[in-house]
Amino acid sequence: DQQVKQNSPSLSVQEGRISILNCDYTNSMFDYFLWYKKYPAEGPTFLISISSIKDKNEDGRFTVFLNKSAKHLSLHIVPSQPGDSAVYFCAARGLNYGGSQGNLIFGKGTKLSVKP
Amino acid sequence: DAGITQSPRHKVTETGTPVTLRCHQTENHRYMYWYRQDPGHGLRLIHYSYGVKDTDKGEVSDGYSVSRSKTEDFLLTLESATSSQTSVYFCAISEKREGPYEQYFGPGTRLTVT
Repeated sequence: DQQVKQNSPSLSVQEGRISILNCDYTNSMFDYFLWYKKYPAEGPTFLISISSIKDKNEDGRFTVFLNKSAKHLSLHIVPSQPGDSAVYFCAARGLNYGGSQGNLIFGKGTKLSVKP
Repeated sequence: DAGITQSPRHKVTETGTPVTLRCHQTENHRYMYWYRQDPGHGLRLIHYSYGVKDTDKGEVSDGYSVSRSKTEDFLLTLESATSSQTSVYFCAISEKREGPYEQYFGPGTRLTVT
């Protein structure tokens, strides 16, 4: 069973508008959530993270919102730019009781296309 | 940029041959990881290491082995490559495995098994 789900494989947005990428999770023991961005032929790069004790974290044009009761988080990009076109991965980390809990579990990714 | 290199960057090999991919870091981070990325599957963890000679299995470890004899190097070996192992392989490193500590990824190795 997928513990981290990104149900939209792709999203197309006009330049200057808001992009909203969604992520759902099933494990209430996750304590940190991270977003990564990946361009073709490159490795993923870290974008922004949020602790499970917060409901919002903002960094420039990027804001992540967390709704713990719904087990849902979203990444907002405002305003969207053509250079934001990439695949975005949501990832979750469990409380580090040892073993595999400290590893990241990734969603399948959402491909964002920002059109000029 | 985190100092992570992967070699080779591209490889084509035949079914049944052994293949070793290398990850090298200059950050002296304790934790190292091998992932594979496939269409429709995202990033899946193969193996990870929490120190020299300390490794453990990830989600998709069957058919793969790893070794870490030095802090800076993490090797992934396919003992007998199969077509299902055609994929893009990413190495990652992290200072810690808790809280907000992110993983830094290498540029990837594209492996094709014919």
